[in-house]
Amino acid sequence: GQQVMQIPQYQHVQEGEDFTTYCNSSTTLSNIQWYKQRPGGHPVFLIQLVKSGEVKKQKRLTFQFGEAKKNSSLHITATQTTDVGTYFCAGRDYGGSQGNLIFGKGTKLSVKP
Amino acid sequence: SQTIHQWPATLVQPVGSPLSLECTVEGTSNPNLYWYRQAAGRGLQLLFYSVGIGQISSEVPQNLSASRPQDRQFILSSKKLLLSDSGFYLCAWSPGGNYGYTFGSGTRLTVV
Repeated sequence: GQQVMQIPQYQHVQEGEDFTTYCNSSTTLSNIQWYKQRPGGHPVFLIQLVKSGEVKKQKRLTFQFGEAKKNSSLHITATQTTDVGTYFCAGRDYGGSQGNLIFGKGTKLSVKP
Repeated sequence: SQTIHQWPATLVQPVGSPLSLECTVEGTSNPNLYWYRQAAGRGLQLLFYSVGIGQISSEVPQNLSASRPQDRQFILSSKKLLLSDSGFYLCAWSPGGNYGYTFGSGTRLTVV
């Protein structure tokens, strides 16, 4: 079945450094979503990418969807302590049912001030 | 605006006891509803989803069940909890289609 792999599992950075997490799917995706979960909190929807090669920005966050629609990345420029949390990608394959939003295992980001 | 309520926030239950977690959504009609479980430090595992009243799809065979007695109410139940049922249970809703999910604040269940 469809799998969504996310790397790295953990990332420790110094405040001000950049951060990138990568997401790879075993199948072509119709869209991919990104979520952030703060420590002790619940996942919060950040963005959805739909088009091949799409790039979207939210302030210091840049999201990319691969040309083949099988991979995606989230890049944070100049991390801040407020960026701490776990970032999940979630993909839906073509023809997937309403339940087929498959989450990656997440990348846990820690930022040292 | 739409809101999602999930309770209780924390729960400690003995092995073999029953479970009932409730989730309600306000401000929308006919939402898609989901139950996820997150083990400590792990990813999100889809347990059940529902696209309408009385319509439940199960993703993982287990001793849990779900029901949707009303349009905006989703209940997760168990007749007898196992130690392995411990985790962070999250309810979520979406309007359907390719929209993002909105998660509730979750229930931390510890089975002892």
